Amino acid sequence: GAVVSQHPSWVICKSGTSVKIECRSLDFQATTMFWYRQFPKQSLMLMATSNEGSKATYEQGVEKDKFLINHASLTLSTLTVTSAHPEDSSFYICSAWRVTSGPNYEQYFGPGTRLTVT
Amino acid sequence: SQQGEEDPQALSIQEGENATMNCSYKTSINNLQWYRQNSGRGLVHLILIRSNEREKHSGRLRVTLDTSKKSSSLLITASRAADTASYFCATDLMYSGGGADGLTFGKGTHLIIQP
Repeated sequence: GAVVSQHPSWVICKSGTSVKIECRSLDFQATTMFWYRQFPKQSLMLMATSNEGSKATYEQGVEKDKFLINHASLTLSTLTVTSAHPEDSSFYICSAWRVTSGPNYEQYFGPGTRLTVT
Repeated sequence: SQQGEEDPQALSIQEGENATMNCSYKTSINNLQWYRQNSGRGLVHLILIRSNEREKHSGRLRVTLDTSKKSSSLLITASRAADTASYFCATDLMYSGGGADGLTFGKGTHLIIQP
């Protein structure tokens, strides 16, 4: 099956610094990727839609200047958390969208990146 | 707010029993999917049911979809200790004009299987 990887799998950073998380589709091209955030004991919330070659679309309440998304190639999207604060500590999960046949498609999730801001 | 709502929020049963989780959503959908997540880990895709399907089976899993009630259920039969995890339903909305859509996740059911 299709594989999506994330790097790093976990990261600890100091408050005020920036952290970049990568999401790669390893065996297929993904024009669209999604970024989700999951706080402890909560569900996943869609943060933004990342489109290759164009600006990301952010969900309501997600600060686009704080969460910078770059989808420069068909296999890589990056999420940069700028000026991170402890409240940004969360599990960040990406997914890649792949058309399977006709109108059908599937989303493949990465393993997630746990960010801890101290 | 999240579209999907699962109930119960937590469920504890004995190994070997069946576990049923329910999910409700608010608007018309293309597909509904169920995922499992072990504590602190990534998502495992369990099953996808399309809006024109009513029931689907995969091993010990049985999923139903009632679009008139905007609800779905996930049944795990003959539960095992390894089934202990959080289970989420996720929907993608009907849209026109092409393009991909992110998933809307329910709040999840935390399932504990007592050995």
